[in-house]
Amino acid sequence: AQSVAQPEDQVNVAEGNPLTVKCTYSVSGNPYLFWYVQYPNRGLQFLLKYITGDNLVKGSYGFEAEFNKSQTSFHLKKPSALVSDSALYFCAVRESLEDFQKLVFGTGTRLLVSP
Amino acid sequence: DAGVTQSPTHLIKTRGQQVTLRCSPKSGHDTVSWYQQALGQGPQFIFQYYEEEERQRGNFPDRFSGHQFPNYSSELNVNALLLGDSALYLCASSLVAVSGNTIYFGEGSWLTVV
Repeated sequence: AQSVAQPEDQVNVAEGNPLTVKCTYSVSGNPYLFWYVQYPNRGLQFLLKYITGDNLVKGSYGFEAEFNKSQTSFHLKKPSALVSDSALYFCAVRESLEDFQKLVFGTGTRLLVSP
Repeated sequence: DAGVTQSPTHLIKTRGQQVTLRCSPKSGHDTVSWYQQALGQGPQFIFQYYEEEERQRGNFPDRFSGHQFPNYSSELNVNALLLGDSALYLCASSLVAVSGNTIYFGEGSWLTVV
């Protein structure tokens, strides 16, 4: 069965500095990977996805993620953090396109950006 | 373009009662799924509906059931509520025919069981 690990419960970064939120995955076939963000008491907002193609994926709000098959990782990155980026970030994997909407989520990483 | 909409936003129920949550998918989407997000955890897949049938199901008991209507909207029903059912229930939608489709989520329904 597929799984996702987010090894850091919380990431702290100063505004203007680059940020990285880590994600590793485990699937039996080709992975389909997603990042979502959740603001307090809100639903999930889609940031970006990797289905196939370039290993560097660009998404919303200046975020990007790098797919690394050999390390089974899909880390979320942003060159310059904003205070407004502070939120809960979830990595998710779908094992096959036939899984339709069955996403397996990590436990989430709280990002705190200080002024 | 309306996104995924859910109702109600918040509700409180007593143990043993039944609850119905409602979801309208994003315009143009034809498949809906439901997730449970307990406090401090990631969302857990409950089930997915497409063409008015349950297509996939996660590790949830039969107390959790659903329905999809011809207009693609959906309901989640939970019977015999337990305290542990307290959670944020998220509805998601997408378009099945699009390979690599993006799955969009609603704002959720907060259920508190007392």
